[in-house]
Amino acid sequence: SYDLTQPPSVSVSPGQTVTITCSGDKLGDRYVSWYQQKPGQAPVLVIYHDTKRPSGIPERISGSSSGNTATLAISGTEAMDEADYYCQAWDSNTEVFGTGTKVTVL
Amino acid sequence: EVQLVESGGGLVQPGGSLRLSCVASGFTLSGYEMNWVRQAPGKGLEWVAYIGGSGTNIYYADSVKGRFTISRDNAASTLYLQMNSLRAEDTALYYCARGRWRAHDYWGQGTLVTVSS
Repeated sequence: SYDLTQPPSVSVSPGQTVTITCSGDKLGDRYVSWYQQKPGQAPVLVIYHDTKRPSGIPERISGSSSGNTATLAISGTEAMDEADYYCQAWDSNTEVFGTGTKVTVL
Repeated sequence: EVQLVESGGGLVQPGGSLRLSCVASGFTLSGYEMNWVRQAPGKGLEWVAYIGGSGTNIYYADSVKGRFTISRDNAASTLYLQMNSLRAEDTALYYCARGRWRAHDYWGQGTLVTVSS
């Protein structure tokens, strides 16, 4: 089976930049999406096709992907960015979510 | 406004069955792929099943293959998930999610399924 690995947690100070990695075999050859999930809420799509933002997602959220790693970056981090983040990709006809990363804004 | 509203969850005994529904509004269901994604309490997201817009292409996670069936009624704007032979490990919040860009651009609020004796 195909696996996507993320760090369990990262912390960041307000105003700083936080990056979250997502690792998988030849991940750069697949489209990667990222979701933000706050407690008690459904996930929200923040990045698709590696780098694209849906309407309404701020420019300070960005994505990149190369080789075996995709990265989500949040610049100028705010308290409202505190959430769980999941990467996602398709492997043939199976969809896979990453293990999830909890972002804490200190 | 796009809305997805799930229903049909509840408490069921191991080995039992449930049928989940997801009513879509604000868009034409037939024009979109749809998925079910679940989240066990305190755990991460797990994809469950996919169905193409016409219902021809269907895929399942290995964990539910042979037990769950995804279907859709485009005329009724409704997505379904028939769940049979339920196990304790199927306990989760089940979301329906619209497919677009090889991602999920809209999600419902979920319906809770609890499998316990």
